[in-house]
Amino acid sequence: GAVVSQHPSRVICKSGTSVKIECRSLDFQATTMFWYRQFPKQSLMLMATSNEGSKATYEQGVEKDKFLINHASLTLSTLTVTSAHPEDSSFYICSARGQGRGEKLFFGSGTQLSVL
Amino acid sequence: DAKTTQPPSMDCAEGRAANLPCNHSTISGNEYVYWYRQIHSQGPQYIIHGLKNNETNEMASLIITEDRKSSTLILPHATLRDTAVYYCIVRAPRQTGANNLFFGTGTRLTVIP
Repeated sequence: GAVVSQHPSRVICKSGTSVKIECRSLDFQATTMFWYRQFPKQSLMLMATSNEGSKATYEQGVEKDKFLINHASLTLSTLTVTSAHPEDSSFYICSARGQGRGEKLFFGSGTQLSVL
Repeated sequence: DAKTTQPPSMDCAEGRAANLPCNHSTISGNEYVYWYRQIHSQGPQYIIHGLKNNETNEMASLIITEDRKSSTLILPHATLRDTAVYYCIVRAPRQTGANNLFFGTGTRLTVIP
């Protein structure tokens, strides 16, 4: 099946620093990628949708200046958490939908962000 | 997307079949039923999807009622590694707006040795 690679799997940072998370589609071109956030014992919540070559669409309540998304190529999307604070600590997951892959979404393995 | 209702948790003995129900009484004619699962601290994993007919693959079987208002995911021989949260999702293909999958609360399946 299609593979989506997400890196890093875990990151610990100090409050006020920025963290970049990468999401790569390894064997297909991802026209659309999605970024989710998941707090402990809760379900996945969509943060934003990014389409290659255009600006991301953010869900209501998600600050676009804080969560910067770049989808510059068909195989890579990045999420940068700027000026991270402890309340940003969460499990971040990306997913991708590829050309010719039907309606299935393929998910990365997730990134556990801990802000001290 | 149609709303789905799943039991919050279920137990299943190892080696037995796990039957996970999902109600989607407001499903529209063009909406598919998808099943994903999420093992602790990992990203969701696609299991199976269907529209009207029952489906089977190497992981599971999907039984959809004739009126399509409910479905059941069947893991024929549950193993300890099947312990996870299982999400039932319904959506139409190529919806305008967000083309994401909306994850509800799912069913936490625990396979017991």
